Formats: sequence, structure tokens, C-alpha cells
Amino acid sequence: ELKVEQNPLFLSMQEGKNYTIYCNYSTTSDRLYWYRQDPGKSLESLFVLLSNGAVKQEGRLMASLDTKARLSTLHITAAVHDLSATYFCAVDSYGNAGGTSYGKLTFGQGTILTVHP
Amino acid sequence: DGGITQSPKYLFRKEGQNVTLSCEQNLNHDAMYWYRQDPGQGLRLIYYSQIVNDFQKGDIAEGYSVSREKKESFPLTVTSAQKNPTAFYLCASSMIPGGYQPQHFGDGTRLSIL
Repeated sequence: ELKVEQNPLFLSMQEGKNYTIYCNYSTTSDRLYWYRQDPGKSLESLFVLLSNGAVKQEGRLMASLDTKARLSTLHITAAVHDLSATYFCAVDSYGNAGGTSYGKLTFGQGTILTVHP
Repeated sequence: DGGITQSPKYLFRKEGQNVTLSCEQNLNHDAMYWYRQDPGQGLRLIYYSQIVNDFQKGDIAEGYSVSREKKESFPLTVTSAQKNPTAFYLCASSMIPGGYQPQHFGDGTRLSIL
């Protein structure tokens, strides 16, 4: 059974500081996704990481994937208040059964990020 | 605009009652998914469907049922057998199951017990 663990679960940061959220998973996969969720809202896709060594950057966020270590990181640079949200990583279990492909996401618990002035 | 529409936004269930949550997408996506989110937790997969007239149980399917009669629609019924249904329910879709695109999510339905 695939397990996905994030840490930290709670992160309180000052504006302008840097920090990293870690996402560890238990079985082989080379498809990992990062999502953002604002309170009471739906999930917004941030990054899609599809291979070992993949690195994606958007604004103050950068995500990377190390499939050998089964680890993804989401690095926050010079945090601003607008980044306050819950961040989820999700790992894709995919394969083929009876000729039909499938994809199932297993989510981490989420990291609640609060950025203070 | 293409997207996923979930309705209603809020739903209340009485004891012993079945309720149905609607999920419609106009993205022409093949795969659709239902997730449950409890406060302070990640999402857990209830059911998923790769093609019309086919669906599979996810990790927490007990007390739930689904149908996939049309490509655009994937309704979820929360039955009276689900003893703890209070949660935030999210529907998602993707172009190809197991493909490279991220799943797109609807705005969710918040279900509570009366």
C-alpha cells in the first residue's frame, strides 16, 4: 500500500524567509503532483513532476523529485503572505490491468503554511 | 469555460437518508474521481472511473455508490450505511487515467448530518 508523508504539517514563516516542505512516499513512482488549497476551497494544481531529477519553478515556489530517494521537495523562496495556504503532494499509482490504464492519487496529509508579516 | 461543476455546495443529511452529490465536467475528460476530505487531513479516494459504464472502488468505498452512465457525469450517493458522512467531498477528472496531466478538481460539496 502506497503511503505518502509530508513534513512539516504546520509551518509558520516570516515574510522574506525561505523554507522547504518534504514529501516522502513508500513505493516506486515517477509521477508526483503538488497542489495548493485555500481555506474552504478546491485544489489548484501547482506542479507536475514526471521523472527523476525533475525540477519545476513558478514564482517563489520550486519543486523537485528524487525517485530513488522517493522524495519530493517544495521550496519556498522569500515568502509572502499570499503564499499562505495548505500544500499537498500526491503520488500517482498507475499501471495497466486487463488492458485498461488507471491512475490513482494518494495524497499526503497536507502542510498548512502561514506567512506572517 | 471548461471545468467541473459540483452541486450542491452544501448538503444536509438526515439519519437513515441517502443523498446524491452531483459532478459534471465539460472538459471531455475520460477519467473521473471522488475524494473525501476530513478537517485537517489529506484527500482519500472513494471511487474512480476510467470510462463510461465502468468504475472501481478506491480506498474508502464502503457506504458509497456511484454510476457513470455518461462521460460528463459521475454522481456519488452517500448511503445510510455510511455512518460518518460529514466531510468535504471533491470530484476530479483527468484526460487519460494514468496519464501525465494533473487531475482537475471541482469546488466541492460540504456534507453535514442534521
